[in-house]
Amino acid sequence: DGGITQSPKYLFRKEGQNVTLSCEQNLNHDAMYWYRQDPGQGLRLIYYSQIVNDFQKGDIAEGYSVSREKKESFPLTVTSAQKNPTAFYLCASSKRGLAETQYFGPGTRLLVL
Amino acid sequence: AQSVTQLGSHVSVSEGALVLLRCNYSSSVPPYLFWYVQYPNQGLQLLLKYTSAATLVKGINGFEAEFKKSETSFHLTKPSAHMSDAAEYFCAVIYNFNKFYFGSGTKLNVKP
Repeated sequence: DGGITQSPKYLFRKEGQNVTLSCEQNLNHDAMYWYRQDPGQGLRLIYYSQIVNDFQKGDIAEGYSVSREKKESFPLTVTSAQKNPTAFYLCASSKRGLAETQYFGPGTRLLVL
Repeated sequence: AQSVTQLGSHVSVSEGALVLLRCNYSSSVPPYLFWYVQYPNQGLQLLLKYTSAATLVKGINGFEAEFKKSETSFHLTKPSAHMSDAAEYFCAVIYNFNKFYFGSGTKLNVKP
């Protein structure tokens, strides 16, 4: 079955720790995205990538980093510089660019210990 | 500034009643418009999208939306609500193929 997988489903972070959220897709999509979802605020774009080895900052990139070494994978690292990381993180992909329909993974909930 | 607005963070309807979820965008140039649905603790699923073809767009699960340029609106409707429609609904807009925004979401509650 084609789709997007995110792991883990729940992730706990200690103060000062970097954590990495996984996102994999087997849809052969060129573009991938990371969003943060907070209650009552909808989705906010963190980073997106339209092609391997290239990515752009979204609206709230500070405290986050990404890489796109493979077409199928777009991991997100939440660094210690992100002071309020508790949120639901959603990964998405689209066939080509930003005007295409996005397909979402099931999400990762990050909690701070 | 370009944006998208969803009126009403919570909407409650009775089972069998009309569902109307509101979305307004802010642009003189018609954008691409989407409605997504999110069930608890899950990702988003596409309900329907408008890409400058027919102004009335039909989606999955009996939902439809009408693009009204004069009102800069793209409201989501369903003639008869079902209990399984209870979820959060997001309107999304793409401007100029390079900027996109999600609305803040509307939670739909369906009463038996």
